[in-house]
Amino acid sequence: GAGVSQSPSNKVTEKGKDVELRCDPISGHTALYWYRQSLGQGLEFLIYFQGNSAPDKSGLPSDRFSAERTGGSVSTLTIQRTQQEDSAVYLCASSLRLSGANVLTFGAGSRLTVL
Amino acid sequence: RKEVEQDPGPFNVPEGATVAFNCTYSNSASQSFFWYRQDCRKEPKLLMSVYSSGNEDGRFTAQLNRASQYISLLIRDSKLSDSATYLCVVQVSGAGSYQLTFGKGTKLSVIP
Repeated sequence: GAGVSQSPSNKVTEKGKDVELRCDPISGHTALYWYRQSLGQGLEFLIYFQGNSAPDKSGLPSDRFSAERTGGSVSTLTIQRTQQEDSAVYLCASSLRLSGANVLTFGAGSRLTVL
Repeated sequence: RKEVEQDPGPFNVPEGATVAFNCTYSNSASQSFFWYRQDCRKEPKLLMSVYSSGNEDGRFTAQLNRASQYISLLIRDSKLSDSATYLCVVQVSGAGSYQLTFGKGTKLSVIP
């Protein structure tokens, strides 16, 4: 596609439920990032995928969070047993550059509200 | 010390004013630097990369001081449409990872 596509755009769930957020990066972009942004806060790095390399999971806040990227394209971020503090906008970004300056194109985000 | 630190503002300036934002970073291994712009309830978008020698794009000028680990963004002749949050972004590359760290942003409001 022309841009990074994320779904759902909004998700309201009850505490304790599992949620899946999807990201479809720009075609041909080998690098994919997940960030989250809480209200009034900066972007918090979650996970990074680059081609077939092992992902950098250093930003995942707990073992309730996991992500996969199938076929080097679409990625799914899964949050198990959601908590109220998980409420945030989850932003996906992709990038073409493999070295040097790494310019990200973001999707519009998935706004998660945990009641 | 935070990895990337910015003055949160808000900066409220009249149209036509010149305004400057500063950003400091803590990791001396940082290699690439950027300014992103984020409009309210929207995703961040690249404004400009920051080069070692400094660079200009129209009304926007970015500067980098590696010795002081400091980045700046200057906006001249401010427009109403410049109202947004400006994010300082630092890239540290190594061990196969290209992690970018975002500052919390500086909010700018340009007033008629």
